[in-house]
Amino acid sequence: EAQVTQNPRYLITVTGKKLTVTCSQNMNHEYMSWYRQDPGLGLRQIYYSMNVEVTDKGDVPEGYKVSRKEKRNFPLILESPSPNQTSLYFCASSFAAAYGYTFGSGTRLTVV
Amino acid sequence: GIQVEQSPPDLILQEGANSTLRCNFSDSVNNLQWFHQNPWGQLINLFYIPSGTKQNGRLSATTVATERYSLLYISSSQTTDSGVYFCAVEGTGTASKLTFGTGTRLQVTL
Repeated sequence: EAQVTQNPRYLITVTGKKLTVTCSQNMNHEYMSWYRQDPGLGLRQIYYSMNVEVTDKGDVPEGYKVSRKEKRNFPLILESPSPNQTSLYFCASSFAAAYGYTFGSGTRLTVV
Repeated sequence: GIQVEQSPPDLILQEGANSTLRCNFSDSVNNLQWFHQNPWGQLINLFYIPSGTKQNGRLSATTVATERYSLLYISSSQTTDSGVYFCAVEGTGTASKLTFGTGTRLQVTL
């Protein structure tokens, strides 16, 4: 089944403890990106990648890192999480621009 | 950047009723998608529809790109249709980024 898989689905962590949210797609898509969803602010792009080893900042990149060492994986790294990074995170992938995006099931992160 | 407006913001329907959700966007787009966010937070892709009309069961969508709007039709609504519906666009000047509208929150009651 074609899908984008995120892990974990739920995570509660403490301020400053490094964490990684994984994202993997099995559709051989070139484009991958991360979004966060917050009440009143909607969904905003954090980072995106157009191919292996090609990444760029989205609208809200502060406090996040990404890497794209293989086409299928695009992990989101929070080196020192803070409470304002408490959010619902989504990974998405697409064959290319203008081809439509498939979203993962989301990761609900709470930083205390 | 491109602006996306959705209306109405909230909608309450009785089961079996029909509804039309609207999405206006401010610039040319390469991509337009409709999503349903269910009560568990998952974003379900309903339609990829940068132009034209598509149908999938009780749902259909129309995008008139030249007039910069899209409509999502829900017929014979069911309680499982409840949730938030988002329109998202990829502008011609912002490839690789979806800009989301603020959504329409739909509640279907018995």
